[in-house]
Amino acid sequence: GQNIDQPTEMTATEGAIVQINCTYQTSGFNGLFWYQQHAGEAPTFLSYNVLDGLEEKGRFSSFLSRSKGYSYLLLKELQMKDSASYLCAVRDSNYQLIWGAGTKLIIKP
Amino acid sequence: GAVVSQHPSRVICKSGTSVKIECRSLDFQATTMFWYRQFPKQSLMLMATSNEGSKATYEQGVEKDKFLINHASLTLSTLTVTSAHPEDSSFYICSASQAGSYSGANVLTFGAGSRLTVL
Repeated sequence: GQNIDQPTEMTATEGAIVQINCTYQTSGFNGLFWYQQHAGEAPTFLSYNVLDGLEEKGRFSSFLSRSKGYSYLLLKELQMKDSASYLCAVRDSNYQLIWGAGTKLIIKP
Repeated sequence: GAVVSQHPSRVICKSGTSVKIECRSLDFQATTMFWYRQFPKQSLMLMATSNEGSKATYEQGVEKDKFLINHASLTLSTLTVTSAHPEDSSFYICSASQAGSYSGANVLTFGAGSRLTVL
């Protein structure tokens, strides 16, 4: 079956750096997405990786290793507003999005 | 950027009634729209894929007669929860992708979601 694993919850300190990991097992691979979702709101797009390596976008970076079925989202200079759930999603060979359960990130002052 | 409008944001209804949720792409044509359900502290669960002008494709375990989906135009899809029961209470979210290929970072744009509470 298809599976995406991410930690359920993580805690970090304001101003610090946090890495959220995502491992996947899917039937085929056509890209990996990271979304941010604040409580009670819809997800918003953060990043997209289809080739191995690091994609940097401001304070957020996302890394992909297709051979390892692994990605991470790196958040730098954490701010209180970064407290949210972070969803990892993989597009499989049928171009269906398979969603992880999300990682709830708690930022402490 | 692409915007998807979803309405209503919150709805409370009595058990046995039907509720319609609208999803509109405001500044782009969406040949495909997706309907998700999300229970508290859980991830998104795809309910159905809606293609303009054709019948929706439902995921396994989703009752097509209970969750009616209509995608009559390139900018509007509706989800009707028929004969709603308390267990249908959930956060329903639509998303859309722009007309064209699925290759590349064809990003899904999400609506703001509709929180349904069935009493």
